[in-house]
Amino acid sequence: GQQVMQIPQYQHVQEGEDFTTYCNSSTTLSNIQWYKQRPGGHPVFLIQLVKSGEVKKQKRLTFQFGEAKKNSSLHITATQTTDVGTYFCAGNNAGGTSYGKLTFGQGTILTVHP
Amino acid sequence: DGGITQSPKYLFRKEGQNVTLSCEQNLNHDAMYWYRQDPGQGLRLIYYSQIVNDFQKGDIAEGYSVSREKKESFPLTVTSAQKNPTAFYLCASSISSGMREQFFGPGTRLTVL
Repeated sequence: GQQVMQIPQYQHVQEGEDFTTYCNSSTTLSNIQWYKQRPGGHPVFLIQLVKSGEVKKQKRLTFQFGEAKKNSSLHITATQTTDVGTYFCAGNNAGGTSYGKLTFGQGTILTVHP
Repeated sequence: DGGITQSPKYLFRKEGQNVTLSCEQNLNHDAMYWYRQDPGQGLRLIYYSQIVNDFQKGDIAEGYSVSREKKESFPLTVTSAQKNPTAFYLCASSISSGMREQFFGPGTRLTVL
């Protein structure tokens, strides 16, 4: 079945440093979504990427979708303590009987030291 | 105030007992989902429902059952056949299945003693 791998599993940064998490799928994706889960909380939707090579920005966050639609990345510039949490990518399979199912990566746990 | 509610937040059960987790949404969403979250792992899909009175197995459906008799409700039963039921359970909904964002409830942390 479809697998979505996410690295790194953990990332510790000093406040002000940049952070990147990477997501790779074993199959071509229709779209990819990114979620953030604060400690003790539930995942909250950040963004969806649909087009090959798409790049979207939300303030200090930059999201990219690979040309082959099999990988994606989230980059945070100048991290702040409010960025702490687990970042998940979630891929939607391109066609097939699993349409409608999101497959989540394992997540990257970000810790920001003030 | 629209959203997804899950109850209870914490649940303790003895081994061998079935337990039902509640999930209610008033967002008028067609699709609903149940995920399991374990430490160091992502969210794994248990069951999902694209429309009322219909549901499909996810990746780890064994030992679980669901029903979708009403659009706003999607309860999950953890049966005694589930080998390792202690986990954080998250319910989600989306306006429709497919390429749409999912809204998550606050989750239920189930501990089986």
